[in-house]
Amino acid sequence: DQQVKQNSPSLSVQEGRISILNCDYTNSMFDYFLWYKKYPAEGPTFLISISSIKDKNEDGRFTVFLNKSAKHLSLHIVPSQPGDSAVYFCAASGGGYAGNMLTFGGGTRLMVKP
Amino acid sequence: NAGVTQTPKFRILKIGQSMTLQCTQDMNHNYMYWYRQDPGMGLKLIYYSVGAGITDKGEVPNGYNVSRSTTEDFPLRLELAAPSQTSVYFCASSYSRQPQHFGDGTRLSIL
Repeated sequence: DQQVKQNSPSLSVQEGRISILNCDYTNSMFDYFLWYKKYPAEGPTFLISISSIKDKNEDGRFTVFLNKSAKHLSLHIVPSQPGDSAVYFCAASGGGYAGNMLTFGGGTRLMVKP
Repeated sequence: NAGVTQTPKFRILKIGQSMTLQCTQDMNHNYMYWYRQDPGMGLKLIYYSVGAGITDKGEVPNGYNVSRSTTEDFPLRLELAAPSQTSVYFCASSYSRQPQHFGDGTRLSIL
């Protein structure tokens, strides 16, 4: 049972346009959500997070939106740059699990074309 | 700072062999984690530790063991390697509920 799902395996966007990556979750006890970015042959790198008490968090070109009633979050990248091409993972914590355990989605590969 | 360091980067094992994946962090983080990532999938938690001497199972612990004798080190042991354990293994660390910092992974093939 996948508690965190990223239904789009890949996304292709033109440089300068907006990239929107989506993530759905099923466990209503998740209270903290994160996005990680991963380049090939490297470990995931933390990008941005949001607590369940908020519905939006912004950091430069990156904004995460949380819709608790729909159990949905999204990552917006504006403007997209070729260096943003990577795999993006959505992750959630809380959910009744101890020890800051993260539950990851399957990832979305973003390709930003020059 | 080196952050989270994993060794080796690559390893090929024969079925039934054993090995230890090493992980060390220099950020004085209390929490440490081991994940595995299978092709096209997200990361799944194998074991985690909230401090020296304390470890607990994650989502997929079968076939693995861990120990945490110091704050810095969190080795992962495979006792009897099986083809299903072919994967990329990531170690991570954090302060409590802060975002986790990951190493660059160990790519393990079992033939």
